[in-house]
Amino acid sequence: DIQLTQSPSFLSASVGDRVTITCRASQGISSYLAWYQQKPGKAPKLLIYAASTLQSGVPSRFSGSGSGTEFTLTISSLQPEDFATYYCQHLNNYPHTFGQGTKLEIK
Amino acid sequence: EVQLVESGGGLVQPGGSLRLSCAASGFTFSNYWMHWVRQAPGKGLVWVSRVNTDGSGTTYADSVKGRFTISRDNAKNTLYLQMNSLRVEDTAVYYCAGFRSSWYGMDVWGQGTTVTVSS
Repeated sequence: DIQLTQSPSFLSASVGDRVTITCRASQGISSYLAWYQQKPGKAPKLLIYAASTLQSGVPSRFSGSGSGTEFTLTISSLQPEDFATYYCQHLNNYPHTFGQGTKLEIK
Repeated sequence: EVQLVESGGGLVQPGGSLRLSCAASGFTFSNYWMHWVRQAPGKGLVWVSRVNTDGSGTTYADSVKGRFTISRDNAKNTLYLQMNSLRVEDTAVYYCAGFRSSWYGMDVWGQGTTVTVSS
């Protein structure tokens, strides 16, 4: 099975900051990677698919990059509503493993 | 409005069974590969199972293989998860989710239903 490792697991930042979350795959997954945002008590929300394509309706301050084994999610200027937990997921084969999550907190 | 609504969660004793349902509306359910994803209290997301568009193909996580069965009824726009031989470690919020193809990621999600396995 392919393992995904996110870093950092916790991130403290301020409104307006630029933040980057990394997701590393244990083997190559081409661009079959998605990013999700989850707020407490809510279902995950798709932000990015195919490693770098912004899901419809998602603000342009979110961006994704990478291919193969290393991927990043960047938020260019944090807004109050962005404080949440972020997960990467690979969709290259089964099981469609998720990363362990990155909790983004207000500094 | 695109919507997935799960039901069927609850409290069950170890070794017991539950059947979860996920009712879809607002999109062409039969075009979507459907999945179950779970989240134990305070933990991360874990992919559980998938079924293809016509129900002919299924895949399971090792942790549930042989105990859980995923199925769908496209005439009723409904996804199911039959859970047997439940264990304490199956306690989680169970989400149904779907994608048109794996390239596009899981773009539809339900609100989740809680399963608690405890004596």
